[in-house]
Amino acid sequence: QQQVKQSPQSLIVQKGGISIINCAYENTAFDYFPWYQQFPGKGPALLIAIRPDVSEKKEGRFTISFNKSAKQFSLHIMDSQPGDSATYFCAALTPSGAGSYQLTFGKGTKLSVIP
Amino acid sequence: GAGVSQTPSNKVTEKGKYVELRCDPISGHTALYWYRQSLGQGPEFLIYFQGTGAADDSGLPNDRFFAVRPEGSVSTLKIQRTERGDSAVYLCASSLIGGQQETQYFGPGTRLLVL
Repeated sequence: QQQVKQSPQSLIVQKGGISIINCAYENTAFDYFPWYQQFPGKGPALLIAIRPDVSEKKEGRFTISFNKSAKQFSLHIMDSQPGDSATYFCAALTPSGAGSYQLTFGKGTKLSVIP
Repeated sequence: GAGVSQTPSNKVTEKGKYVELRCDPISGHTALYWYRQSLGQGPEFLIYFQGTGAADDSGLPNDRFFAVRPEGSVSTLKIQRTERGDSAVYLCASSLIGGQQETQYFGPGTRLLVL
């Protein structure tokens, strides 16, 4: 059962454009929503994260918008650059008993920014 | 300081063989996680350690998979009687104390190929 649904699967954006990636979740126990960026051959690296009591968080060119009632959140990359070309994963953190904090990931979005 | 390191970076083995994958977390991090990432998918949780103990092993797919962290630092993921379906990238992550809304830092992964 996929608990975090991510779309689109792939995205091509012109340099300078806005990249938008969407995620939806069902489990209301999720209480932290990070976005990870992964380059080929590397592990995921935290990009930006948001708590459910905040509707928007911005760090540089990256913004997370969060809609708790709709159980949706999205990543916006402003002024997209070729160096942003990577796979992006949304994720959700939940305590799962015994003090464990698991990350549940979406399937990823492969972003290509073309010059 | 150094990030999470994993060895080997690549491992090719034959069906039925035993393999060990090693993870060195960030120094001082008490929480350690193993995830598995299949091609084109997001990472999936396997097991969580708090110190030396496996606090949550609910993600291990079957009893062929086992992990240890005897001194609360380095961890080894062990797979017995490997199957072709075990082929994936095995990611290790660590965090400071394993708390809520805490960043998990990922290593580069071990790419396991079972022939």
